[in-house]
Amino acid sequence: EAQVTQNPRYLITVTGKKLTVTCSQNMNHEYMSWYRQDPGLGLRQIYYSMNVEVTDKGDVPEGYKVSRKEKRNFPLILESPSPNQTSLYFCASSLAGPSFSEQYFGPGTRLTVT
Amino acid sequence: GQQLNQSPQSMFIQEGEDVSMNCTSSSIFNTWLWYKQDPGEGPVLLIALYKAGELTSNGRLTAQFGITRKDSFLNISASIPSDVGIYFCAGQRANAGGTSYGKLTFGQGTILTVHP
Repeated sequence: EAQVTQNPRYLITVTGKKLTVTCSQNMNHEYMSWYRQDPGLGLRQIYYSMNVEVTDKGDVPEGYKVSRKEKRNFPLILESPSPNQTSLYFCASSLAGPSFSEQYFGPGTRLTVT
Repeated sequence: GQQLNQSPQSMFIQEGEDVSMNCTSSSIFNTWLWYKQDPGEGPVLLIALYKAGELTSNGRLTAQFGITRKDSFLNISASIPSDVGIYFCAGQRANAGGTSYGKLTFGQGTILTVHP
């Protein structure tokens, strides 16, 4: 089954404790992206990657890091989480090219930073 | 960063009614998309629009790419209870060479409630 998976689905952590949210897709997609969703703000793009070893900032990259060492994986790293990073996070992937806007989203990771 | 203005923020309608929502931007987009998000899940693509003026249907859903390339609307006809959810518009801009940026900008969402 074609899918985007994220782990963990739920995470409660404390300020300053480094964490990684994993994202994996099995569709051989070149493009992958991370978003955060907050009430009243819709989805905001954090980082995206056009292909392996190619990453770029979205609209809200501060406090986050990403890496793209393999095509299928695109982990999101919070080196020193803060309470304002409490949010619902989505990973997405798509083919590159004219239709790469048609992204497939993962199920989401709900992160709480206390 | 750039955001799209999506309206209305929420709608409460009776089953069978038609629904209309729209998105506007101060910037030109070369692609407009409409997504639906069910509770506890990620957004799912409903309709993608690639040309100014394009009108595309997907079952009871119809979406249009505005002529100015700064707006789009989504209509749902004869709503049913399973239409409940959050609807998002999203836009993608092109660079000077006409290649799409990797950045996708989303609207704030329209929460749709359908009463049986």
